[in-house]
Amino acid sequence: SQQGEEDPQALSIQEGENATMNCSYKTSINNLQWYRQNSGRGLVHLILIRSNEREKHSGRLRVTLDTSKKSSSLLITASRAADTASYFCATDSQGGKLIFGQGTELSVKP
Amino acid sequence: SAVISQKPSRDICQRGTSLTIQCQVDSQVTMMFWYRQQPGQSLTLIATANQGSEATYESGFVIDKFPISRPNLTFSTLTVSNMSPEDSSIYLCSVEGPIRSTDTQYFGPGTRLTVL
Repeated sequence: SQQGEEDPQALSIQEGENATMNCSYKTSINNLQWYRQNSGRGLVHLILIRSNEREKHSGRLRVTLDTSKKSSSLLITASRAADTASYFCATDSQGGKLIFGQGTELSVKP
Repeated sequence: SAVISQKPSRDICQRGTSLTIQCQVDSQVTMMFWYRQQPGQSLTLIATANQGSEATYESGFVIDKFPISRPNLTFSTLTVSNMSPEDSSIYLCSVEGPIRSTDTQYFGPGTRLTVL
């Protein structure tokens, strides 16, 4: 069964706008990781946030984690057409076994 | 980060046959995993590939259907046995490591399998 729920399922924005994706999970975790997938290809690792961290940044990406609400968000600022992809959150609560959310399909229109 | 390759990248197979997928990493890693992504869906963990011992399977996956080998710290294979159209998916290996590195998990490019 899937641990993570992501919303929205699909998001369409204009280039230059910000995109926010949310992820909720059910059990306690060691860390949460965000991935990008282009058109059914391999997954690209974006960022890992540990359970004792609240916020991390990497370039145009900002990830937050609220363990009390069991939720995380991924913010992509100043989006580009090349950011068009599916984005997945995945939680690690048991020795590296990742449980994935259903994903958010992001479309950035030029 | 580790560089991961998979072979084949894609295949079209007949019902009832078997396909072995290879996963090669350019450095020694502690953990290797196999995932399945059915069409239009998210990823589901099949099993943890343990070096030198039998793989650990998740609920709903069995060794007879998905035998896994991991002879060393850089290589693993997943076999999809007695295939049916329901096995059409992308199969991905992932690694955690390299050894003594972070617990970030990296994925291979995937093997796209179509069963007719």
